[in-house]
Amino acid sequence: QKEVEQDPGPLSVPEGAIVSLNCTYSNSAFQYFMWYRQYSRKGPELLMYTYSSGNKEDGRFTAQVDKSSKYISLFIRDSQPSDSATYLCAMSKGGSYIPTFGRGTSLIVHP
Amino acid sequence: GAVVSQHPSWVICKSGTSVKIECRSLDFQATTMFWYRQFPKQSLMLMATSNEGSKATYEQGVEKDKFLINHASLTLSTLTVTSAHPEDSSFYICSARTNYNEQFFGPGTRLTVL
Repeated sequence: QKEVEQDPGPLSVPEGAIVSLNCTYSNSAFQYFMWYRQYSRKGPELLMYTYSSGNKEDGRFTAQVDKSSKYISLFIRDSQPSDSATYLCAMSKGGSYIPTFGRGTSLIVHP
Repeated sequence: GAVVSQHPSWVICKSGTSVKIECRSLDFQATTMFWYRQFPKQSLMLMATSNEGSKATYEQGVEKDKFLINHASLTLSTLTVTSAHPEDSSFYICSARTNYNEQFFGPGTRLTVL
C-alpha cells in the first residue's frame, strides 16, 4: 500500500461545477498537508498549505483535513476551464518537511 | 509566492553525453533544494535533497555517481546527468524550500536522450 493514495482520474466536469478532489494516507505521522496544481509540461504550483486538521479557504479553493480518517480534500467552487490541470496532494511529517506526493488527479473543466 | 527558475527548459542530447540542469531561487535564499523526476502521468519521485555547502542526500535506488548534485550557493543548485542514456529521458523538476518550510517548484526540464 502506498503512503498516499490519489485517484488519477480523469475527472471531467462542466464549467461552474463544484469539484471535489481527495487523497487518503496511511501514515499518522503526517502533519502538514499541501495541494499543488500542475499544468501540462510545467512544474507544480503550491495552492494550499495547511497544518493538522481543519479547513482553510482561499478564494474559490477550500482545503479540508480530517486526520482521524486520514483523508484530505480540495474543493474548487465555480470551476473554470483554466482550472483544468493535474492536482497533486502532498503531505509531510512534522520536523521533516520532505513531502510525499500523491500521483495526481487530472481535472478537465469543459465550457 | 516565491519564484524558482530552471534552465534549460528542455534539452535533447546524444547517448553517452552529460547534461547539466540549473535550479535557481530568484527572490529568496534556499539552504535546501530538492530534485525530482516525473514520468508521464506519474507522480513526482524525489531523487535527492541538496543542501548548500554539503553533500546531497540521495534517495534509495538513485545513483549518486550518475546524478551529480552541487549546491554551491544559497540560490543555485545544479544536477548533472552523466553519461546519459535513453532511459534517463524524463521531466526533471527542482524545488526550493523557504525559511517557512514552503516548497516552491521550478518549471521543470524535459530531457530527451537519443
